[in-house]
Amino acid sequence: DGGITQSPKYLFRKEGQNVTLSCEQNLNHDAMYWYRQDPGQGLRLIYYSQIVNDFQKGDIAEGYSVSREKKESFPLTVTSAQKNPTAFYLCASSIHGQGATSYGYTFGSGTRLTVV
Amino acid sequence: DQQVKQNSPSLSVQEGRISILNCDYTNSMFDYFLWYKKYPAEGPTFLISISSIKDKNEDGRFTVFLNKSAKHLSLHIVPSQPGDSAVYFCAAIAVTGTYKYIFGTGTRLKVLA
Repeated sequence: DGGITQSPKYLFRKEGQNVTLSCEQNLNHDAMYWYRQDPGQGLRLIYYSQIVNDFQKGDIAEGYSVSREKKESFPLTVTSAQKNPTAFYLCASSIHGQGATSYGYTFGSGTRLTVV
Repeated sequence: DQQVKQNSPSLSVQEGRISILNCDYTNSMFDYFLWYKKYPAEGPTFLISISSIKDKNEDGRFTVFLNKSAKHLSLHIVPSQPGDSAVYFCAAIAVTGTYKYIFGTGTRLKVLA
């Protein structure tokens, strides 16, 4: 079955540590996205990539980094510079181009990151 | 600047009745609007979409209405079922942009049995 997989589902990080969240898709989608969800704030875009080896900052990129070396993979690193990293992180993918508009995104099941 | 707004953070409806979730937007360049449904600790799933050239789209119990002059869309669920209890996000996109959807803040729907 085609889909998008995020791992791990739960992640605990000590303050001052970097941590990497995994996102893999086998939908042959060109574009991939990382969102953060906080209570009452909806989904906020962290980074997105529309093609391999290229990515752009979203609305809240500070303290995060990404890479897009393969079409299937878009890992997100939460660095120690991120002031408030505890949140629910969602990865998504979409067909690039016109098809993306009416079909929307396919989301993963999310990773809950907690700083301890 | 919140381009897509869902002003009601929560809504409670009796089972069998109609649920109406609302969404307002400010950007007249949006071409498509989508609704997503999200259960706790899961990713959102696509529910229904509407093009800006239409004013209504129906899929089973779900109907989305678009009022372009008012920059307002709504999702109607009839009849509401307990399994519909979830957070609903509306999202909008402009074709001339970078194919990024703009999401609202969500409305938590609770359907009471």
